[in-house]
Amino acid sequence: GESVGLHLPTLSVQEGDNSIINCAYSNSASDYFIWYKQESGKGPQFIIDIRSNMDKRQGQRVTVLLNKTVKHLSLQIAATQPGDSAVYFCAERPTGNQFYFGTGTSLTVIP
Amino acid sequence: EAQVTQNPRYLITVTGKKLTVTCSQNMNHEYMSWYRQDPGLGLRQIYYSMNVEVTDKGDVPEGYKVSRKEKRNFPLILESPSPNQTSLYFCASSLIALAGINEQFFGPGTRLTVL
Repeated sequence: GESVGLHLPTLSVQEGDNSIINCAYSNSASDYFIWYKQESGKGPQFIIDIRSNMDKRQGQRVTVLLNKTVKHLSLQIAATQPGDSAVYFCAERPTGNQFYFGTGTSLTVIP
Repeated sequence: EAQVTQNPRYLITVTGKKLTVTCSQNMNHEYMSWYRQDPGLGLRQIYYSMNVEVTDKGDVPEGYKVSRKEKRNFPLILESPSPNQTSLYFCASSLIALAGINEQFFGPGTRLTVL
């Protein structure tokens, strides 16, 4: 299968600070990427997506950056809140009918 | 409310006893998929379905079966469960756009333990 990894398995940030979560993907043919948030005991939830023809996309308090040259994806969360504590993972779509998921980064927000 | 439901949420069984995990979605999605989630390995796809009566193997299909007789349902069948199938299972569904599947909506998960 595909190898979609993350640079750090855990990340702790102070409440109010910005968080940056990174992801490396392996397939240069991937044309669509998604960041998911998974809270304890729940299924993954969509946060934000980006297509390969874009470098940056912004949502509400979240920004995704895509660097196709080095096959790197990042998720930035502004003014991190306790409710942001969760596991975050990226997913890439190398073909039209499958996604490959990273292993996740566990974000802990310190009040 | 748009959602993907799975049943049961928790299941403890013994080796060799056939079981079925049900999955249903109410969003009229064409695409449905099953994943297992294990520590350190992330989500791995077991089977997926692009539409009724169309199913395909994912990356880890061994020991599993699926069926797609109706658009809304996509049950996962373990004919003879083994301990290495102890895992957290997620069902997901998605619309299919011109370029392929979009964001997937996930169910709440089924935690399966095979003794």
